[in-house]
Amino acid sequence: DIQLTQSPSSLSASVGDRVTITCQASHDIGSYLNWYHHKPGKAPQLLIYGAVSLQSGVTSRFSGSKSGTDFTLTISSLQPEDLGTYYCQQSYSTPLTFGQGTKLDIK
Amino acid sequence: EVQVVESGGGLVQPGGSLRLSCAASGFTFSKYWMSWVRQAPGKGLEWMASIKEDGSEKSYVDSVKGRFTISRDNDKNSLFLQMNSLRGDDTAIYYCVRGPGAAFDYWGQGTPVTVSS
Repeated sequence: DIQLTQSPSSLSASVGDRVTITCQASHDIGSYLNWYHHKPGKAPQLLIYGAVSLQSGVTSRFSGSKSGTDFTLTISSLQPEDLGTYYCQQSYSTPLTFGQGTKLDIK
Repeated sequence: EVQVVESGGGLVQPGGSLRLSCAASGFTFSKYWMSWVRQAPGKGLEWMASIKEDGSEKSYVDSVKGRFTISRDNDKNSLFLQMNSLRGDDTAIYYCVRGPGAAFDYWGQGTPVTVSS
């Protein structure tokens, strides 16, 4: 099974900050890496697919990048509505797996 | 507007069964893989099962193989999850999700399942 390790597990940042979350895959998964945002009580939202492609309707403050088996989600200028938990997920092979999540709080 | 709406969750005793349903609208259901993903209390997201557009292929996470069955009715734009031999660690919110294609692109609000005596 492919393991995804996210870091940090939690962070607190201020409105306007640039925030980065990383996800390391245990095996080569090409660009089959997606990012989601999940607010409590809400449906998770797809942000980035294929490591770097912005999902339709998602603000361009979010971006994704890839370097080998390391993937990064960047929020260019943090907004209050960005609080919640962020998950990476690999769609390279079954079982499809998620990272453990990164909980983001607004200072 | 794409919508997926889950139903069928509730309280069930250990060893019992439950059938979850998902009603899809706003897209051509028969042209998409569909999946179930769950989130246990205080835990992260966990993929459960996926089914191909025509139902000819199914895949499951090891922990539910032989206990859970995913199915679909393309005439009724519906997805199902039959859950048998339920255990306490199956307690979770269960999400109906469109995909995977490239990704899980539309999620329902989830239906809660509690396994307890």
